[in-house]
Amino acid sequence: GIQVEQSPPDLILQEGANSTLRCNFSDSVNNLQWFHQNPWGQLINLFYIPSGTKQNGRLSATTVATERYSLLYISSSQTTDSGVYFCAVQGGGSNYKLTFGKGTLLTVNP
Amino acid sequence: SQTIHQWPATLVQPVGSPLSLECTVEGTSNPNLYWYRQAAGRGLQLLFYSVGIGQISSEVPQNLSASRPQDRQFILSSKKLLLSDSGFYLCAWSTGAEQPQHFGDGTRLSIL
Repeated sequence: GIQVEQSPPDLILQEGANSTLRCNFSDSVNNLQWFHQNPWGQLINLFYIPSGTKQNGRLSATTVATERYSLLYISSSQTTDSGVYFCAVQGGGSNYKLTFGKGTLLTVNP
Repeated sequence: SQTIHQWPATLVQPVGSPLSLECTVEGTSNPNLYWYRQAAGRGLQLLFYSVGIGQISSEVPQNLSASRPQDRQFILSSKKLLLSDSGFYLCAWSTGAEQPQHFGDGTRLSIL
């Protein structure tokens, strides 16, 4: 099946700093989503971005499908941005299953 | 707008007891429905998905089963729980294949 690798596994920032999270995948995809899992376990949709670039406030994402990677940018980070960020993809012959990476644990200190 | 509900939020069960977790979706018709499990706080694994009433596909062999008795209702069950069934279970829905999936708040299941 399709493989998803996220980097870095852990990231510690001071409030106000910017960061870039990366997601590499091993096959062509027809769906790519970025999620934020907060400390209560809720999985929040950030972006549906199988290709192209999108922005939502301080967050933006870019997927270069031909090169099999996606980037999530967080600008002017806040303590509420802390949590685990997951990249999940559909591809490699599956039209239903989202395959998740292991996530990036982001800690934003005040 | 569409909403998804899961209950209970937390559950503590003894080994060998039965299980029933329920998920319902509001505000949409004929959604695709999914059960995922998250173990050890990282990464989710798809357990079951359903594209319609009574239609269940299993992704991994296990001690669990799923049913879809109504269009917007998805149930995860077990006849006898094992210690390895502990985890965080999340239900999700989408409007179709290759469409974004939206997750419920999850159920934390602890087996004693």
